[in-house]
Amino acid sequence: NAGVTQTPKFQVLKTGQSMTLQCAQDMNHEYMSWYRQDPGMGLRLIHYSVGAGITDQGEVPNGYNVSRSTTEDFPLRLLSAAPSQTSVYFCASSYSGGSGYTFGSGTRLTVV
Amino acid sequence: TQLLEQSPQFLSIQEGENLTVYCNSSSVFSSLQWYRQEPGEGPVLLVTVVTGGEVKKLKRLTFQFGDARKDSSLHITAAQPGDTGLYLCAENTGNQFYFGTGTSLTVIP
Repeated sequence: NAGVTQTPKFQVLKTGQSMTLQCAQDMNHEYMSWYRQDPGMGLRLIHYSVGAGITDQGEVPNGYNVSRSTTEDFPLRLLSAAPSQTSVYFCASSYSGGSGYTFGSGTRLTVV
Repeated sequence: TQLLEQSPQFLSIQEGENLTVYCNSSSVFSSLQWYRQEPGEGPVLLVTVVTGGEVKKLKRLTFQFGDARKDSSLHITAAQPGDTGLYLCAENTGNQFYFGTGTSLTVIP
């Protein structure tokens, strides 16, 4: 099993550009989430999904969109990149709401 | 959003020493998890605690859930350089997981 796969690992964007961060899991997990990690801020929840076709906002959703058309994939879209979105982004999946998360290895995004 | 406070924020110790890190909240946890994150990697789940007063051991790591389920601690015995990393606690509220800001541990050989 590959677990949770995130691509790309590194990305540099110019302000105003858009892009999609990819996340795929092969564990048949229903729950998937996107977090951003900034120094001193810990992991903050951007969006999450409890199953295909169902998404909801987390703590810091502004500037990001998600969709969940399949159980396996949960892409994160940056609509118009801003320097404040410079961060490390983690995708995670879980079998259920009470079980622990399996994380991907992250995407380091820099917006200039 | 439930605020999770972790302390200390940074900890640097010599190999072989013992240490304890803490995770506290003003509200009751439904369940709590501990993760370790190494540089350049995602967090890895260490343990989930559910019952107040619960104690779980994972080799040299001992996890305790407070009786009132509002706090938790992680104790490491005889720390080794391989224990170096960021230790995060996370609380599950409904369908969302909220993370503390973490304790950055450095174990010096």
